[in-house]
Amino acid sequence: GQQVMQIPQYQHVQEGEDFTTYCNSSTTLSNIQWYKQRPGGHPVFLIQLVKSGEVKKQKRLTFQFGEAKKNSSLHITATQTTDVGTYFCAAQYGNKLVFGAGTILRVKS
Amino acid sequence: ETGVTQTPRHLVMGMTNKKSLKCEQHLGHNAMYWYKQSAKKPLELMFVYSLEERVENNSVPSRFSPECPNSSHLFLHLHTLQPEDSALYLCASSQRWGPYYEQYFGPGTRLTVT
Repeated sequence: GQQVMQIPQYQHVQEGEDFTTYCNSSTTLSNIQWYKQRPGGHPVFLIQLVKSGEVKKQKRLTFQFGEAKKNSSLHITATQTTDVGTYFCAAQYGNKLVFGAGTILRVKS
Repeated sequence: ETGVTQTPRHLVMGMTNKKSLKCEQHLGHNAMYWYKQSAKKPLELMFVYSLEERVENNSVPSRFSPECPNSSHLFLHLHTLQPEDSALYLCASSQRWGPYYEQYFGPGTRLTVT
């Protein structure tokens, strides 16, 4: 079935370091969404990207959609302990939203 | 916080029990979803309801039975579950069913099947 590959599976960074997670699809996507799930919590919508090459920023978070609309990335600048959690990308296949496996981020203070 | 509530938050049940999970959304959305989240697995879509009509059944075993009596409420009826069904069950809603609509998740029900 359709799936989105997300890497890395896990990343442990020192507070203040940057972090990036990548999402890849073998097919062209109409859009991509990003969600964050804190430990013990539930997924919370962060952003949606629709246009080829689109870049959106939310404070220290930068989201990018590839030119071919087959990949996306989320970059966090100068991580803080509040950034810990699992970051999921989710791609739309038809009317179905398919989630990647997520990247678990741990931040050492 | 998100406008989507789920009860109970935790549930332990035996394999022969029958129980139901409840979800309620206060956002005026038209689409509701059930997801299963197991350890080390991606979120798995189980069912989708749009305007109270089931529009997606993602090859879910019949021991899981959804019900959507109105656009604000969604139930998941459980019977004769297996230990591998232990997971976090998340309900979500979106304004409409289809591309470009972000989903709002409830806090989930942590289910343990003994």
